[in-house]
Amino acid sequence: NAGVTQTPKFQVLKTGQSMTLQCAQDMNHEYMSWYRQDPGMGLRLIHYSVGAGITDQGEVPNGYNVSRSTTEDFPLRLLSAAPSQTSVYFCASSPGGSLYNEQFFGPGTRLTVL
Amino acid sequence: AQTVTQSQPEMSVQEAETVTLSCTYDTSENNYYLFWYKQPPSRQMILVIRQEAYKQQNATENRFSVNFQKAAKSFSLKISDSQLGDTAMYFCAFMHPNNDMRFGAGTRLTVKP
Repeated sequence: NAGVTQTPKFQVLKTGQSMTLQCAQDMNHEYMSWYRQDPGMGLRLIHYSVGAGITDQGEVPNGYNVSRSTTEDFPLRLLSAAPSQTSVYFCASSPGGSLYNEQFFGPGTRLTVL
Repeated sequence: AQTVTQSQPEMSVQEAETVTLSCTYDTSENNYYLFWYKQPPSRQMILVIRQEAYKQQNATENRFSVNFQKAAKSFSLKISDSQLGDTAMYFCAFMHPNNDMRFGAGTRLTVKP
């Protein structure tokens, strides 16, 4: 099993550009989520999904869109990048429908918005 | 909204000794879940231990144990027999049953040989 994979590992964008961060898992986990980690802060939940076709907002959803068309994939879209979105982004998955089950994290994507 | 506070930005401990990391949280909920995650320099997030609020017994995982004080809203992590591989950022996290997850700012732990 590859676990949770994220692409790209690094990305530089200009203000106003859009892009999609990819996340995939091969463990047949129902639950997937996206976090951002800023310096000096813990992870903050952006969006999550409890299964294909179901998504919900977390603590900091503004400026991001998600969709879940398959169990395996959970892409995060930045519609119009802003410098405030410079961060490290983590995708995670867990079995069952709750975060209480152990979350398996991807390696992260470091995004810089100029 | 739930908040999680880790009051120790940095800590250090000698190899083989014991260290305790502090965490407090604020919530009006009665049922929730608490976690400690470890983030080594590789940046990979790893679950260390978790606790269900309705369980009075403190969770233990090998050298890691927690002191859960529900009334005080405190959830500290004790690492016994510290090893060099324990050097990492440690994050305390709170989860509401609706899957709202909040993390503290972290404690950077250094284990010295």
